[in-house]
Amino acid sequence: GNSVTQMEGPVTLSEEAFLTINCTYTATGYPSLFWYVQYPGEGLQLLLKATKADDKGSNKGFEATYRKETTSFHLEKGSVQVSDSAVYFCALSNFGNEKLTFGTGTRLTIIP
Amino acid sequence: DVKVTQSSRYLVKRTGEKVFLECVQDMDHENMFWYRQDPGLGLRLIYFSYDVKMKEKGDIPEGYSVSREKKERFSLILESASTNQTSMYLCAAQGISNQPQHFGDGTRLSIL
Repeated sequence: GNSVTQMEGPVTLSEEAFLTINCTYTATGYPSLFWYVQYPGEGLQLLLKATKADDKGSNKGFEATYRKETTSFHLEKGSVQVSDSAVYFCALSNFGNEKLTFGTGTRLTIIP
Repeated sequence: DVKVTQSSRYLVKRTGEKVFLECVQDMDHENMFWYRQDPGLGLRLIYFSYDVKMKEKGDIPEGYSVSREKKERFSLILESASTNQTSMYLCAAQGISNQPQHFGDGTRLSIL
């Protein structure tokens, strides 16, 4: 079956630091990959996505590249801000399948 | 823009009560989902629906049921609430398979 493994949190960084949150997956076929973000007190919002190998998703300064050879989809940002403090979820879905498989989430805190 | 609305942000109920959580979407989307979110476990799928009156069990359906009488509304029912159902509940809607899901802000449910 499908599974998603994220790096354990919580992660605490200083403002303007470089961010990496690791995500690896196990899936049959060629899944689509997503990063969702959950700000305090809110539901999940789609941050970025990639639908095939070597695609790079990007949004709000965040990037992630679909690496089929390493089954990874690591989230990166060059310079984080306090407003990036949130919980980040990596997820996948198989083509033709409605369901998402989520990682356990990584809580990120940025300190000024 | 996409809008998924959950009827309550916070709810407190007693053990043994029948509890209804309501979710409405304004996008005419076919697929709707109910998840629960618990620390360290990420999001787990309870039920989903791919059409009016159609439903399918997710990963943890025990103790729950759902109702989808109209396309825009998907209700989660706790038949006899128990303390281990204290959690954050998230509803989502999706247009077609393999596309992002759009989430509501969640209902934090406490069972006393």
